[in-house]
Amino acid sequence: DAKTTQPPSMDCAEGRAANLPCNHSTISGNEYVYWYRQIHSQGPQYIIHGLKNNETNEMASLIITEDRKSSTLILPHATLRDTAVYYCIVRVLTSGTYKYIFGTGTRLKVLA
Amino acid sequence: DGGITQSPKYLFRKEGQNVTLSCEQNLNHDAMYWYRQDPGQGLRLIYYSQIVNDFQKGDIAEGYSVSREKKESFPLTVTSAQKNPTAFYLCASSRTGFSGANVLTFGAGSRLTVL
Repeated sequence: DAKTTQPPSMDCAEGRAANLPCNHSTISGNEYVYWYRQIHSQGPQYIIHGLKNNETNEMASLIITEDRKSSTLILPHATLRDTAVYYCIVRVLTSGTYKYIFGTGTRLKVLA
Repeated sequence: DGGITQSPKYLFRKEGQNVTLSCEQNLNHDAMYWYRQDPGQGLRLIYYSQIVNDFQKGDIAEGYSVSREKKESFPLTVTSAQKNPTAFYLCASSRTGFSGANVLTFGAGSRLTVL
């Protein structure tokens, strides 16, 4: 199964862009990358997903390298409420069923 | 509003007891998942199910059991065989199929503490 690797923690100044990297060097050609975030003791919240192209929505942007071995989640103007653990996830197809593989996540702290 | 309901939110049990965590969804999703989260750690997959009456073991299925008798429900039983059951348990669901838009939706979680 494809696995993801993320830095354990990052700090970002309020109002600045937060760039969170993820390595998924073993990803297959048809496996999507998803980003979620989790605020303490809550269920993870969906942010964005992509396959090959860069994606943008109202929450964030997702940049995927051409070889698809890594991606970066960008929060364009981080606020204190963006302090959370961010997970990069790969969805894999195994024996005809999909499952979502979580990494250990990056703990982002937005500083005032 | 559509969503996933997990109950109970907090549960205490004595060693040697089986406990069942409930997960119900009204999103009309075919697939359902159970994850375990330990303090400061990521989520690890316990069991998952794509259709009724069928489910697969995830990475840490030992000491757990599930059933999928209805599309809406995917209860998880933590048995006495689970050596370290104290953890935060998260249930999720999604549509099936290749589309990347079939994202996971999570419940609020159940925190199990073994005394």
